[in-house]
Parts: sequence; structure tokens; C-alpha cells
Amino acid sequence: EVQLVQSGGGLIQPGGSLRLSCAASGFTVSTNYMTWVRQAPGKGLEWVSVIYSSGTTYYADSVRGRFFISRDTSRDMAYLQMNSLRVEDTAVYYCARAEGPLDHWGQGSLVTVSS
Amino acid sequence: DIVMTQSPDSLAVSLGERATIDCKSSQSVLYSSNNKNYFAWYQQKPGQPPRLLIYWASTREVGVPDRFSGSGSGTDFTLTISSLQAEDVAVYYCQQYYDIPWTFGQGTKVEIK
Repeated sequence: EVQLVQSGGGLIQPGGSLRLSCAASGFTVSTNYMTWVRQAPGKGLEWVSVIYSSGTTYYADSVRGRFFISRDTSRDMAYLQMNSLRVEDTAVYYCARAEGPLDHWGQGSLVTVSS
Repeated sequence: DIVMTQSPDSLAVSLGERATIDCKSSQSVLYSSNNKNYFAWYQQKPGQPPRLLIYWASTREVGVPDRFSGSGSGTDFTLTISSLQAEDVAVYYCQQYYDIPWTFGQGTKVEIK
């Protein structure tokens, strides 16, 4: 059974850093695209970043240069390192497997950026 | 960026009646080399992650009831719930995965009338 279990998140001050983790089971991250999507409180879905099976990465303009996606293929983990956090980065962050469509999602991690 | 625009923003439908949601993309998401629309529909209930319903515009995900169907091609797509059930109350999102950045529609809230 495919499963994604997220950890990390919490309250952080503006300018701070946080790392989100996503543990995959039932498939290998090395042969799949892994992506992060966020949802601000009461708002819609916003794509954040993707790492292809090749290791190529892409980012939304809103986070490029501040957020970094990575993976550990030996542990079937995906990560989102978030630096220089802003109040507007406050959201629930979801990791997802992206086999074209996003077919499996983690439970979400709440990140609150506030002083 | 490809802009995805859903209509309506919300709708209320009686139990057992049909619900229809439209989504328009600002450019075609049909990939000519394989004739596939890189387009999906998701359902999100409060406090839950989104759930994939439909991909390639019209292919139902495993486990999704057959009252959900997707249609359309190119820039115009439709999600139809043929007979609304109470458990279908949710927000529905369309998404294109044709080009980076992947983009979502703003969401359509479906309620019971």
C-alpha cells in the first residue's frame, strides 16, 4: 500500500528556517516524481516544488531561492527545506507522489510563520 | 503560467441530482504526441488532504465511484457528479500537469440544497 507520512512543521518566526519530511512506503522515491503543495488557511491549493526521478528540481516563483526540495533514496524520504520564511508562507504543506497527476498525498504539516 | 479558472465558485445541489463543474485553462493542456490531456480533478473534504478523482481528463482513479466522470479536451473540461450523495460535499479542484508551474483552479464548493 502506498503511503506518505509527513513530519516537521510548527511555529516559526519570520526569517527562520524549517525542514519538512515525507516518508514514503509502498514505492521508491528514486523512480517517482515527488512534489510539495501548500494551502494557506481558508485558501486553495498552490504548487510549491517538484523533484523528478532524474533529480531535476523546479520551484514556484514565490519560493525559488528560499525553499529547497531534496530526497534520500536510501531511506525513501523527501524533504522541503524552507529558509527565510515569511508570514505569507503560513500554510498546510502536503507532500505528494506525482505520477503525472498527484495520486497519493501525505496528511499535511502546518507551518505557521509569526512573531 | 497556465491559469486554471473554475466555474462556479460554489453550487448547491439536491441529493440525487446532477452537479457539474467547469474548468478552463488559459492554454491547451493536450499533448499532441500522445493525445493526452494533462489534466486532473481532486476532491478535498475539511481537514483532509486532496484526493485524486480523475486524471488524463477522463480516467477515473481506482476506488472512485462511477457517479464521478470527467470530460473535455484542450482548454475546456467538466467534472460531473451524476447523482449527488451526502458524502460528496467537498471542495473540488482542477489541475494541469502539462507545464511547470503546475497550477490549480481556485476550487468549487459543493453543498447540499
